[in-house]
Amino acid sequence: EVQLVESGGGLVQPGRSLRLSCAASGFTFDDYAMHWVRQAPGKGLEWVSGISWISGSRGYADSVKGRFTISRDNAKNSLYLQMNSLRAEDTALYYCAKDMSKQWQGDAFEIWGQGTKVTVSS
Amino acid sequence: QLVLTQSPSASASLGASVKLTCTLSSGHSSYAIAWHQQQPEKGPRFLMKLNSDGSHIKGDGIPDRFSGSSSGAERYLTISSLQSDDEADYYCQTWGTGIQVFGGGTKLTVL
Repeated sequence: EVQLVESGGGLVQPGRSLRLSCAASGFTFDDYAMHWVRQAPGKGLEWVSGISWISGSRGYADSVKGRFTISRDNAKNSLYLQMNSLRAEDTALYYCAKDMSKQWQGDAFEIWGQGTKVTVSS
Repeated sequence: QLVLTQSPSASASLGASVKLTCTLSSGHSSYAIAWHQQQPEKGPRFLMKLNSDGSHIKGDGIPDRFSGSSSGAERYLTISSLQSDDEADYYCQTWGTGIQVFGGGTKLTVL
């Protein structure tokens, strides 16, 4: 069964850091680009970041550029999001998603995880 | 600028059909999109990838009641024989150089 399972969310104070993880199974992880997408309470989906199959290319939304870093460990079938200098507006449910192609700019998101909740508050 | 526009809400009766629209911004009418469904309190689910010529690739297990079509810059999702669990938010998604974009979503109410 193809599956993505996120973890690492929680309550964190503004200005602090958090690292999210996504464990992938059921497909050849290193053949596909991967993404993080978030959804603030009561709002729509917002793409956060994407990484190509061998980490050579990464992209970020303007709202997180310079604060968040996406990475992957193909040997561990895992995707990560290092979030620094967190702000209240980063509060959201964070989803991991599998791309249909190797390049993060290339295609649709065909598999989604169930999300991990991040709350930024003092 | 690559932008997707969706109506905030739509409604249709149980057993009827509904057609949702996603509009690509000017200059991007050749772009493919994807449709995703998000039922209440659940993660999104990929429905289909829809090309500008109307051809589409569905996600695993997506029933035939869900179909896609295209006309110019418009991309459509038609759901026939509406069921109660079709009540959900529907998002379109597209991609380009240096960007991934979501529409604002359409909340579908099944009456």
